[in-house]
Amino acid sequence: SQTIHQWPATLVQPVGSPLSLECTVEGTSNPNLYWYRQAAGRGLQLLFYSVGIGQISSEVPQNLSASRPQDRQFILSSKKLLLSDSGFYLCAWSVGGGGTQKLFFGSGTQLSVL
Amino acid sequence: GQSLEQPSEVTAVEGAIVQINCTYQTSGFYGLSWYQQHDGGAPTFLSYNALDGLEETGRFSSFLSRSDSYGYLLLQELQMKDSASYFCAVRDTGGFKTIFGAGTRLFVKA
Repeated sequence: SQTIHQWPATLVQPVGSPLSLECTVEGTSNPNLYWYRQAAGRGLQLLFYSVGIGQISSEVPQNLSASRPQDRQFILSSKKLLLSDSGFYLCAWSVGGGGTQKLFFGSGTQLSVL
Repeated sequence: GQSLEQPSEVTAVEGAIVQINCTYQTSGFYGLSWYQQHDGGAPTFLSYNALDGLEETGRFSSFLSRSDSYGYLLLQELQMKDSASYFCAVRDTGGFKTIFGAGTRLFVKA
């Protein structure tokens, strides 16, 4: 069966510090991978998605970046965090571009930038 | 671009039926999905409608009218554990991006 791992669960970082969040998927090949951010009590904002190794599409201009060094690994990074980067970060995967395109989410990382 | 509108909050009594509406505007349309998210947790998939009509999955049903750009999630026999946020979502014409609404917070009271 497929599983998605996302870590860490919580993170407190000072403004201006770097960030690296990692997400890995097991049990499937060539998944579509996504990073979403959710502010408290709000909806999910799509940040990045990837349909293959090295292929990254950015949805929102910001100081964040994403990389996909391996088929089932997706990394969210920042060189210098801003206060506005605080939020709940969710990694997700899906298979294919047609049909239901059901998204499977990781357990999320609660990031607090202080 | 895409935008979705849904009510911010809905309150209902245990055992009752509640309907959460969603209207959308998209440049293309590949289907309407619904997700449930409990506080502090990750969203989980509930249902998907690509064609007009009603889809039923246990106590949950989802409806779509493409001509009205409208859908709803129907929850029957409400239980306390149904208290959560519910999000409608649409896929873009490329089929790879899923855009979410702001979510509806459902409060189920005893």
